[in-house]
Amino acid sequence: QVQLVQSGAEVMQPGASVKVSCTASGYTFTGYYIHWVRQAPGQGLEWMGWINPNSGVTNYAQKFQGRVTMTRDTSISTAYMELTRLRSDDTAVYYCTRESGGFDMWGHGTIVTVSS
Amino acid sequence: QAGLTQPPSVSKGLRQTATLTCTGNSNNVGNQGAAWLQQHQGHPPKLLSFRNNNRPSGISERFSASRSGNTASLTITGLQPEDEADYYCSAWDSSLSAWVFGGGTKLTVL
Repeated sequence: QVQLVQSGAEVMQPGASVKVSCTASGYTFTGYYIHWVRQAPGQGLEWMGWINPNSGVTNYAQKFQGRVTMTRDTSISTAYMELTRLRSDDTAVYYCTRESGGFDMWGHGTIVTVSS
Repeated sequence: QAGLTQPPSVSKGLRQTATLTCTGNSNNVGNQGAAWLQQHQGHPPKLLSFRNNNRPSGISERFSASRSGNTASLTITGLQPEDEADYYCSAWDSSLSAWVFGGGTKLTVL
């Protein structure tokens, strides 16, 4: 079964870092870019960046430059997104998604709540 | 980063046709076209079409996409209750080297 499975919900303090994982199965992990997209409560979709799982090359949205790091471990077909210096407005559902023409497969989402 | 422009809401009757629009510029929609996503409350988005009118396997022919200049459109025919959802357009922006999304359109089926 082709799917992306994400790590569980996180509650973080302001100023902390969070690392979300996304494990792929049912297809060749290194064959498709993985993107990260977030959605704040009641808001639209916001693109954060992508990683090429084959090469490890990344491209981040300007808004997140310096705060986000995307990595991957090809041995376990897993991509990671780490966001540092968390603020309350980082509270959102974070999705990983596979790019194949469009974003054709999505993880179930990871809720990250930033609260003191 | 500049996003794409979508009307916040559209309402249509059961079995009618709805056309949703998405306006960008020559660096995004006008360049490589747009993709459309459907999102039901509490669920991840689902890809409906990409590069203007390529439908993934399993997507109903009731959903069709097109583009004219810098504006992309998604037409949904024979509206059903399950079509009530949020719809987002997305496109690669070659000047920003970034993907951009529209703000989303909430489709209500009356």
